[in-house]
Amino acid sequence: DSGVTQTPKHLITATGQRVTLRCSPRSGDLSVYWYQQSLDQGLQFLIHYYNGEERAKGNILERFSAQQFPDLHSELNLSSLELGDSALYFCASSVAPAAGELFFGEGSRLTVL
Amino acid sequence: AQTVTQSQPEMSVQEAETVTLSCTYDTSESNYYLFWYKQPPSRQMILVIRQEAYKQQNATENRFSVNFQKAAKSFSLKISDSQLGDTAMYFCAFMKRGGSGAGSYQLTFGKGTKLSVIP
Repeated sequence: DSGVTQTPKHLITATGQRVTLRCSPRSGDLSVYWYQQSLDQGLQFLIHYYNGEERAKGNILERFSAQQFPDLHSELNLSSLELGDSALYFCASSVAPAAGELFFGEGSRLTVL
Repeated sequence: AQTVTQSQPEMSVQEAETVTLSCTYDTSESNYYLFWYKQPPSRQMILVIRQEAYKQQNATENRFSVNFQKAAKSFSLKISDSQLGDTAMYFCAFMKRGGSGAGSYQLTFGKGTKLSVIP
């Protein structure tokens, strides 16, 4: 158990819908990262938050947004969903941006029908 | 930007044998970390081993060891005495290292190598 909690574990929805994925980092970790894992693209970095502030954006679509709340949990919002958004979405946390290790949650499997 | 390349999409090994997974990377950074992560069918990403680029000694964790060649930008993983539980996807990953912590330090992953351990 990494200490990072992601909900829901599985989610099935239809095209055009909006979903929210939630991540609770390890106790004491201030950094939260979101990754998307799909069969054709592999593991892609989406976005990084540190102590409530956005630090970096990767290959995140404009239809996607995220935030980190004062209690340090983070949410990834995916809207106007398309079939190609079906993927495994991972959250990872670290105590600080340069800590040198990320701890991953079990992921949220999103299926768009 | 960094790139990580794993040239072996799939590999197999007999139980109790040794296997080596390859990884090369490209970066202009001089200070960084390299990682091997394991993703079993349960899909959890599990850290196998970490190497700090400034350290010349290759990292070792029980049956897992790396061969880190900084000049060649090569970072291979050797699994000794392979076990059925080693069956998984293995990802090589890169993270830059910074002293002040400013900026972002996300992992850049390779495409992965699917390892099957055969009884």
